[in-house]
Amino acid sequence: EPEVTQTPSHQVTQMGQEVILRCVPISNHLYFYWYRQILGQKVEFLVSFYNNEISEKSEIFDDQFSVERPDGSNFTLKIRSTKLEDSAMYFCASREEGGIAKNIQYFGAGTRLSVL
Amino acid sequence: AQSVAQPEDQVNVAEGNPLTVKCTYSVSGNPYLFWYVQYPNRGLQFLLKYITGDNLVKGSYGFEAEFNKSQTSFHLKKPSALVSDSALYFCAVRAFNNAGNMLTFGGGTRLMVKP
Repeated sequence: EPEVTQTPSHQVTQMGQEVILRCVPISNHLYFYWYRQILGQKVEFLVSFYNNEISEKSEIFDDQFSVERPDGSNFTLKIRSTKLEDSAMYFCASREEGGIAKNIQYFGAGTRLSVL
Repeated sequence: AQSVAQPEDQVNVAEGNPLTVKCTYSVSGNPYLFWYVQYPNRGLQFLLKYITGDNLVKGSYGFEAEFNKSQTSFHLKKPSALVSDSALYFCAVRAFNNAGNMLTFGGGTRLMVKP
């Protein structure tokens, strides 16, 4: 069964450093998303991406964050200068283009980001 | 704004008994509703969805959920729980007219099924 894959599974970084979280969405999917879950809190939407541009972003997704689809398979989330409060599990998701029957987001296993 | 509430942090049930995990939502317009399950060290796995049509929807692993518009609820149910159902369950909502398709999640409910 196709799945969304995320690397690395755990990323440790120093405060102020840049990190790039990587995702390989399901191959025929065209909508891509990033969510995050701070330990003990809700899963929160960060950004959605379609047709090579951001279609929606939350208040969390400030200038420190960026997303990119550098090639036909990868989808990345970059945090330019990490802060302690960026420590969280980051989930990538993707879904097919199509009608409501295909309106299901499939999630990866997540990358746990620890900012020290 | 859209929101989801899962009033129970944990639900305990004995194996073989029916289970219910509660979810209520708030959204402008018609909702798209989803249940996801998370096992340890795994991502969110899709269980089932309500988009339109029958209020009772059936999903993976014998789970079902009932959409109740008047009570703005979408409770997850299973007639007979298994120990292997023990996991973290998330309810999510998306507004019908939300162009970016963002999902709003509840806080999650941990289901513990005891032998």
